[in-house]
Amino acid sequence: KQEVTQIPAALSVPEGENLVLNCSFTDSAIYNLQWFRQDPGKGLTSLLLIQSSQREQTSGRLNASLDKSSGRSTLYIAASQPGDSATYLCAVGLASGSRLTFGEGTQLTVNP
Amino acid sequence: KAGVTQTPRYLIKTRGQQVTLSCSPISGHRSVSWYQQTPGQGLQFLFEYFSETQRNKGNFPGRFSGRQFSNSRSEMNVSTLELGDSALYLCASTRWGVGDTQYFGPGTRLTVL
Repeated sequence: KQEVTQIPAALSVPEGENLVLNCSFTDSAIYNLQWFRQDPGKGLTSLLLIQSSQREQTSGRLNASLDKSSGRSTLYIAASQPGDSATYLCAVGLASGSRLTFGEGTQLTVNP
Repeated sequence: KAGVTQTPRYLIKTRGQQVTLSCSPISGHRSVSWYQQTPGQGLQFLFEYFSETQRNKGNFPGRFSGRQFSNSRSEMNVSTLELGDSALYLCASTRWGVGDTQYFGPGTRLTVL
């Protein structure tokens, strides 16, 4: 059974800091990995999708890497801003359909 | 391009009742997945529909069911509600499913009293 773990569970940083969020998964036979953000009481917003054959994806100040063999992914946020405050979730997808297995999330607070 | 819409946004029901939630995917998307989110269990997969057929099912009791219509809109139904069914129910749509970015709706907040 696939299990996804995210560390740390919560993170508080001053504005402008670069930071790294970690995600690990137990079964390396994944099809892809997706990072989402969720604002309180809201749905999920997709940030980055990495296919299993890729090593990283970038979008603006965000960079996600994937090391399938070690079962790890990291989300790097450069020059953090208060608007980045949210819960960040990673999820792995298997080849069988679009079912995602989610981690518990990292709650990020960026202080002005 | 309109996003994923879910109705209603909020629901309050009592134990033993049943409820139906609706999800309209992004135009052109044929796969719709449903997830339950609770503080204790996090996000858990309920089921996925593709072209009106259930393609995947999570580990939930038979009280949870769903269907998809020919226009890709999907509904999920929960019968005989229990207190533990209180949660945020999210649906996500993708064009084909495998390998695609999943786009989530805002969710339906269900409270069971």
